[in-house]
Amino acid sequence: DQQVKQNSPSLSVQEGRISILNCDYTNSMFDYFLWYKKYPAEGPTFLISISSIKDKNEDGRFTVFLNKSAKHLSLHIVPSQPGDSAVYFCAASAGNNRKLIWGLGTSLAVNP
Amino acid sequence: NAGVTQTPKFRILKIGQSMTLQCAQDMNHNYMYWYRQDPGMGLKLIYYSVGAGITDKGEVPNGYNVSRSTTEDFPLRLELAAPSQTSVYFCASSYPLAGAYNEQFFGPGTRLTVL
Repeated sequence: DQQVKQNSPSLSVQEGRISILNCDYTNSMFDYFLWYKKYPAEGPTFLISISSIKDKNEDGRFTVFLNKSAKHLSLHIVPSQPGDSAVYFCAASAGNNRKLIWGLGTSLAVNP
Repeated sequence: NAGVTQTPKFRILKIGQSMTLQCAQDMNHNYMYWYRQDPGMGLKLIYYSVGAGITDKGEVPNGYNVSRSTTEDFPLRLELAAPSQTSVYFCASSYPLAGAYNEQFFGPGTRLTVL
């Protein structure tokens, strides 16, 4: 049973436009959500997080929005750059359980 | 800081062979993790450790063993390798603080093929 779902395996956008990556979850006990970025042949690297008590967190070109009632979060990248081409993973954790539950990832291609 | 290092980067095993994947971190993190990633799939937790001498199973522990004798090292042992263990293995570490998100730092991965 997939508690964290990324329903779009891939996404393609033009350089300079907005990229929107989506993530849905089923466990209402999740209190932190994290986005990771992964390039081929490298390990994932942390990108941005959001607490369940917030609805938005912004870091430069990256903004994460959380809609708790819909159990949905999204990562916005504005403007998208070719170097953003990577696989993006959504992950979540609940309370004192430090384990992260991972989505399957969305492969983003930003075309020049 | 080297961060999280993993060796080897690549390995081909024959069915039934054994090997140890090495993982080390120099960030003095208390938590360490082993994940596997199969093609088109997310990360599955194999084992994790909350400190030296303490380990626990994750989602997919069968066929693997771990030990944590020091804070820095967290080797993953495969006994009797099977084709189903063909995957990319990632080691990670973290120092989770109360009331904060658990940012995990990952190594570059080990690509293992079992033939």
